[in-house]
Amino acid sequence: SQTIHQWPATLVQPVGSPLSLECTVEGTSNPNLYWYRQAAGRGLQLLFYSVGIGQISSEVPQNLSASRPQDRQFILSSKKLLLSDSGFYLCAWSVTRSSNQPQHFGDGTRLSIL
Amino acid sequence: AQSVTQLDSQVPVFEEAPVELRCNYSSSVSVYLFWYVQYPNQGLQLLLKYLSGSTLVKGINGFEAEFNKSQTSFHLRKPSVHISDTAEYFCAVSRNYGGSQGNLIFGKGTKLSVKP
Repeated sequence: SQTIHQWPATLVQPVGSPLSLECTVEGTSNPNLYWYRQAAGRGLQLLFYSVGIGQISSEVPQNLSASRPQDRQFILSSKKLLLSDSGFYLCAWSVTRSSNQPQHFGDGTRLSIL
Repeated sequence: AQSVTQLDSQVPVFEEAPVELRCNYSSSVSVYLFWYVQYPNQGLQLLLKYLSGSTLVKGINGFEAEFNKSQTSFHLRKPSVHISDTAEYFCAVSRNYGGSQGNLIFGKGTKLSVKP
């Protein structure tokens, strides 16, 4: 069966520090991969999605970047964190190129910026 | 452009009472519809999905939802809730067209609070 892992579960970082969040999927090949941010009272905001290695689409301009160095690995990064980057970050995967398949979510990373 | 509206941000209800969480969407094309549940400090878990066929969809944990095309709604219902149903519920829509990236548009969520 397929599983998705995100780490770390929680992270406290100072303003201006770098960030790297990692997400890996097991048990499937060539998945679509997604990064979301969930801020209090604002629902889920899609940040990035990827349909293949090295293919990244950004949904909103921001202080973050994403990379997909391997088929089942998706990394969210920042060179210098802002206070506004605080939130709950969720990684998800779905069957590639199919809009009728649900997305499957990891357990998330709670990021607090001080 | 598609959008999803969850009409209630919070729904308090007593244990064993019925509940309905409302979801409306807007789209100029046919869509697929999903409901997810999120327990505190966890990711989202799929409750149910509507792809085609019968408009009444049954999901996990005793939940069901009815797709109403004329009213562009996909309301979630449960006849008798438990304390353990306390969570946040998200409605989502995916555009039905070939070659899609599978992107979902989420509503802002409804927090269901079940009281004893």
